[in-house]
Amino acid sequence: EAQVTQNPRYLITVTGKKLTVTCSQNMNHEYMSWYRQDPGLGLRQIYYSMNVEVTDKGDVPEGYKVSRKEKRNFPLILESPSPNQTSLYFCASGRGFNEQYFGPGTRLTVT
Amino acid sequence: QQQVKQSPQSLIVQKGGISIINCAYENTAFDYFPWYQQFPGKGPALLIAIRPDVSEKKEGRFTISFNKSAKQFSLHIMDSQPGDSATYFCAASRGGNFNKFYFGSGTKLNVKP
Repeated sequence: EAQVTQNPRYLITVTGKKLTVTCSQNMNHEYMSWYRQDPGLGLRQIYYSMNVEVTDKGDVPEGYKVSRKEKRNFPLILESPSPNQTSLYFCASGRGFNEQYFGPGTRLTVT
Repeated sequence: QQQVKQSPQSLIVQKGGISIINCAYENTAFDYFPWYQQFPGKGPALLIAIRPDVSEKKEGRFTISFNKSAKQFSLHIMDSQPGDSATYFCAASRGGNFNKFYFGSGTKLNVKP
């Protein structure tokens, strides 16, 4: 089944404790992206990647890191999480003109 | 500053009615305008999309109307059904194939039976 998977789906952590949210797609898509969704703000793009080893900042990259060492994986790294990074995170991948497929989401709480 | 402004924030429509959601943008470099549908607990899913070289695109009960001069686009859901109850997001992107995406703030649609 063609899909985008994210792990974990739910995470509660404390301020400053490094964490990684994994994202994997099995559709051989070149494009992958991370978004955060907050009430009243919609989805905001954090980082995106056009292909392996090619990444670029989205609208809200501060406090996040990404890497794209393999085509199928695009992990999101929070080196020192803070409470304002509490959010619902979505990974997406795509091929063809701008169509994106979204993962199921990761709900992160930073206390 | 939000690149894409969406209204209304919430919408209640009776079954069989027409749901209309509006979006406006400022950046004339945007060249792709998709609408996404999101059900509770799920990721957004592409519903329909339009490019600025056409003024309207229809897929089943869903229609995008695009007004390039006014820098506005809207989603019309004809014969709205309770199963259409979801949150809808408009978005815009620019620069050929895959660049930055900007989403609206979302509209929560409730279609009453």
